[in-house]
Amino acid sequence: KAGVTQTPRYLIKTRGQQVTLSCSPISGHRSVSWYQQTPGQGLQFLFEYFSETQRNKGNFPGRFSGRQFSNSRSEMNVSTLELGDSALYLCASRTGRGSYEQYFGPGTRLTVT
Amino acid sequence: DAKTTQPNSMESNEEEPVHLPCNHSTISGTDYIHWYRQLPSQGPEYVIHGLTSNVNNRMASLAIAEDRKSSTLILHRATLRDAAVYYCILRDLSNSGYALNFGKGTSLLVTP
Repeated sequence: KAGVTQTPRYLIKTRGQQVTLSCSPISGHRSVSWYQQTPGQGLQFLFEYFSETQRNKGNFPGRFSGRQFSNSRSEMNVSTLELGDSALYLCASRTGRGSYEQYFGPGTRLTVT
Repeated sequence: DAKTTQPNSMESNEEEPVHLPCNHSTISGTDYIHWYRQLPSQGPEYVIHGLTSNVNNRMASLAIAEDRKSSTLILHRATLRDAAVYYCILRDLSNSGYALNFGKGTSLLVTP
């Protein structure tokens, strides 16, 4: 079974631009979560989607948004990019209610210049 | 959210057991204890989880104190591939979602 895939793997953007990152969960998984990882703040939870509905949201500004499609694939969008948004963005999936294991993708490395 | 405290780093020799401690003195009755690890240049991977009883799986063992205020992840025979950052995380079972607060974790160095 294929793992969680994220595209693109690397991205360079300029301040003020917006960016969309994509995540394809493991087949059969209905829950997708997004995390941001930076050297200073570590791994921080962004949001979780289950069956196209946002179930949890971390403490991030409204510039960070996401959505989930009917096939469970998810996208996250960051508008008006700032230098501090440079990070590794990780997507994770799990089967859904009652599952304890979350499977992470390799991440998208975003650099904002 | 209840917090966890872990040592910043630990070192082990290859093929020896490793005991990674985690303190969670403010744990609530509905908090599960999860362990994840992150190998260099990879996303985190699930290791083990438990609620009250000790747990074993193919990767590791989890020993939970009787008062649940601390736990220990045990790697029975460390290999070079076990060098990673290990995260002890509490997840509130009463929350239907799955939002993990990773904290800083323990960086494990394994030497040959």
